[in-house]
Amino acid sequence: DTAVSQTPKYLVTQMGNDKSIKCEQNLGHDTMYWYKQDSKKFLKIMFSYNNKELIINETVPNRFSPKSPDKAHLNLHINSLELGDSAVYFCASSFGLAGGPIETQYFGPGTRLLVL
Amino acid sequence: LAKTTQPISMDSYEGQEVNITCSHNNIATNDYITWYQQFPSQGPRFIIQGYKTKVTNEVASLFIPADRKSSTLSLPRVSLSDTAVYYCLVGDNGSFQKLVFGTGTRLLVSP
Repeated sequence: DTAVSQTPKYLVTQMGNDKSIKCEQNLGHDTMYWYKQDSKKFLKIMFSYNNKELIINETVPNRFSPKSPDKAHLNLHINSLELGDSAVYFCASSFGLAGGPIETQYFGPGTRLLVL
Repeated sequence: LAKTTQPISMDSYEGQEVNITCSHNNIATNDYITWYQQFPSQGPRFIIQGYKTKVTNEVASLFIPADRKSSTLSLPRVSLSDTAVYYCLVGDNGSFQKLVFGTGTRLLVSP
């Protein structure tokens, strides 16, 4: 009954490799997000998709490419991994309603990426 | 998006009430105040949200003065399991629901 799930939970890889992180939500939400939390614990949004359409792209390097095959999935592919990409990546989702208060976002457990 | 300022860390003991204050001097008319909690090795979790006065749920209370330039998250009778980082966020859906997390307040509850 997991609401927002991510795979893998841990990812250790070499510089220059290409890797993907998958995210799935079973909450029926229309909007999904990717956040990055660095070693200093700063949590920053990277991308947001609404109904498979990109709506937020926060000046993330082109090496990061999100893909949303359907509303329930938002995957993150990273090309040519660099040392600075080491962080915890969180996926989140919300209903995506317009107007009013900020909606509650439901976060996944995170994917801990270590680039060696 | 309004910037928020909160204490970097706080210490408490089990059974005490903890109040974490957040400053948001540039809050806009349409902005709401939202608090998230993050346990170690987990994603953030929504705690409470308010616009003005007081909001209470089963987890916490949120006090917002009339000028809305600050807010206080109140955790009644904390337990060890309340040890976490607490984030104060300010904004509305006009910002494309972009949550902007600050540094948060690291709460440590001791026996």
